[in-house]
Amino acid sequence: EVQLVESGGGLVQPGRSLRLSCTASGFTFGDYAMSWVRQAPGKGLEWVGFIRSKAYGGTTEYAASVKGRFTISRDDSKSIAYLQMNSLKTDDTAVYYCTSGGQLWPSFDYWGQGTLVTVSS
Amino acid sequence: DIQMTQSPSSLSASVGDRVTITCRASQSISSYLSWYQLKPGKAPKLLIYAASSLQSGVPSRFSGSGSGTDFTLTISSLQPEDFATYYCQQSYSTPLTFGPGTKVDIK
Repeated sequence: EVQLVESGGGLVQPGRSLRLSCTASGFTFGDYAMSWVRQAPGKGLEWVGFIRSKAYGGTTEYAASVKGRFTISRDDSKSIAYLQMNSLKTDDTAVYYCTSGGQLWPSFDYWGQGTLVTVSS
Repeated sequence: DIQMTQSPSSLSASVGDRVTITCRASQSISSYLSWYQLKPGKAPKLLIYAASSLQSGVPSRFSGSGSGTDFTLTISSLQPEDFATYYCQQSYSTPLTFGPGTKVDIK
């Protein structure tokens, strides 16, 4: 059974940093792209970014709203994907979901339950 | 960026009803369209990919159709566990974008 478990969320002040982790099990982690999607309170879903599998260069792409501030990485030996969030803004307050699927191009086949990030002073 | 719209934004229905949700893309996305189900406190679930392919394990009462710019998600006979919010999403190009969602609640 595929499982994705996000961790690392919490309350953080504007301008500070936070790193989210997504621990995966039940599939060959290194074979798949990993993505992050967020949902602000009362709002819809917003794609944040993804990282391709190493077989496709492990390259990343990001939404314009987070480009230059957020970085996605992966540790295939531990089956963990990371979302490093710097220079956080109040607009980044959201539930952050980790998703898996696809290789060269991501698909959101499986999702975690999400972790809440609140950016507030 | 490709904009996704959905209609209706919400609907009330009864168990056993046939429910149809429409999704429209601002430009042609071929069949690069997926549908997701979200329930509070639960992991979102992929229902349909490539516009009409049923994800493994998803009940056959869910179906998808369409290509180009116009797509439809149909629930043939609504069940109690189907009350949720549904989102469409295009994977034709980045930024990957979602529709605003359709909330299905109990009539």
